[in-house]
Amino acid sequence: NAGVTQTPKFRILKIGQSMTLQCTQDMNHNYMYWYRQDPGMGLKLIYYSVGAGITDKGEVPNGYNVSRSTTEDFPLRLELAAPSQTSVYFCASSPGQGGTDTQYFGPGTRLTVL
Amino acid sequence: EDQVTQSPEALRLQEGESSSLNCSYTVSGLRGLFWYRQDPGKGPEFLFTLYSAGEEKEKERLKATLTKKESFLHITAPKPEDSATYLCAVQARGSARQLTFGSGTQLTVLP
Repeated sequence: NAGVTQTPKFRILKIGQSMTLQCTQDMNHNYMYWYRQDPGMGLKLIYYSVGAGITDKGEVPNGYNVSRSTTEDFPLRLELAAPSQTSVYFCASSPGQGGTDTQYFGPGTRLTVL
Repeated sequence: EDQVTQSPEALRLQEGESSSLNCSYTVSGLRGLFWYRQDPGKGPEFLFTLYSAGEEKEKERLKATLTKKESFLHITAPKPEDSATYLCAVQARGSARQLTFGSGTQLTVLP
C-alpha cells in the first residue's frame, strides 16, 4: 500500500497566486487532516474531515479551504497566497470511529510564497 | 486549550549514552498521548500511543512512559540512526481525534 501520498513535493508561488495541494490515502480511512509545520515548531491543524462531505476548521484555517468529495481524497486550496503561508504542509489520515486513533502522515509539501 | 511542551529543544548524545526526553501536557480529558519520529524532509512516523497513567511501551531502544501530567521517551544506548526530531502529541476526549503537537526535541547521536 502507498499509504498517504501528497503532491507536489515542492512549490514556489508568487503573492496572490492560488494552488491546490493534493492528498490521497489508500487505507480506506474515514478521518483526514491537514497540518502545517513552521521551522522549529510543532504541527498545527488547519482543517479536518470525518468523512466524505464533512469538513471542519482546525486551529489555523484562515486563508485555506478544503473539500472531501471521496473517502480517498482531501485537497487543500490556497486562494490568495501570502508570505505567511510559507510552510511545510502535511496530510494525515486515521481510521476514525471503531478503529485506532493513530494518524498516518504523508511526506509533505514544501511551499514557498514570494 | 490543550497544550504540549517538550524539553529539551535539542539534545546531543554520544553513542551508547542513555537519556530521556520530556513531554509535559495539559488537556481537557486525555484520550491518548502519541510519540512520533520525524527525519529531515519527511513526514512524522508513528512510534507509540499511551492511553492511561502508568502505561509503558517499548520498541527497540525506545521506551515511552506516561503520568497524569507528562510523558517520557527513554532512549537506551542510542545509535547514530536514532538521530531525528521526536514529536509528542495529545488527543482529547470527544474530539474528532485531532492531535495537538509539541515543538519537538531534536536528538543528535554522535558516533
